[in-house]
Amino acid sequence: AQSVTQLDSQVPVFEEAPVELRCNYSSSVSVYLFWYVQYPNQGLQLLLKYLSGSTLVKGINGFEAEFNKSQTSFHLRKPSVHISDTAEYFCAVSDHGGSEKLVFGKGTKLTVNP
Amino acid sequence: DTAVSQTPKYLVTQMGNDKSIKCEQNLGHDTMYWYKQDSKKFLKIMFSYNNKELIINETVPNRFSPKSPDKAHLNLHINSLELGDSAVYFCASSPRSNQPQHFGDGTRLSIL
Repeated sequence: AQSVTQLDSQVPVFEEAPVELRCNYSSSVSVYLFWYVQYPNQGLQLLLKYLSGSTLVKGINGFEAEFNKSQTSFHLRKPSVHISDTAEYFCAVSDHGGSEKLVFGKGTKLTVNP
Repeated sequence: DTAVSQTPKYLVTQMGNDKSIKCEQNLGHDTMYWYKQDSKKFLKIMFSYNNKELIINETVPNRFSPKSPDKAHLNLHINSLELGDSAVYFCASSPRSNQPQHFGDGTRLSIL
């Protein structure tokens, strides 16, 4: 079974500062990794995914993440955040065995202050 | 055009009642899901259907019964609602296993 740990429940930053949201996973098999964003009172929107290939993946809205197999991490980064990036961010994992389900971390609330 | 749509968006009802939430996707995906998001924002899968066939049932009380009349629809019926059922329920779909899932906007269920 897989599990996901998002180490920070809340991350406050100032506008135009860089940010990193941390995600570690645990799995006995190879995994696919995802980051989703949830704006207030909305559903989840895919930011980026790692399925295979290059370990540095780029997503929407200027976000990127790096898959590190040895450290079982998939941290999300953005070099310069905007007020509009304020949202809840979820890291998720699914296994290569086709179990069809996503296992989510508990989320990180990113608050961008002016 | 909304890709994954859920109705209703809000549902307020009393304990003991029976209610249904509907979900439709127009993406042509084969797989659909129901997730529950609790008050602490934690998301957990409840059910998954592939081409109308149940493939995941994650130890959900049998008061919850999913129904998939066709691969574009996955409805959730809940009997004898309890206070602990208060949550936001999300429907999602994906083209096949391990491809990104597309989520609806959620149904906020409040039990009085």
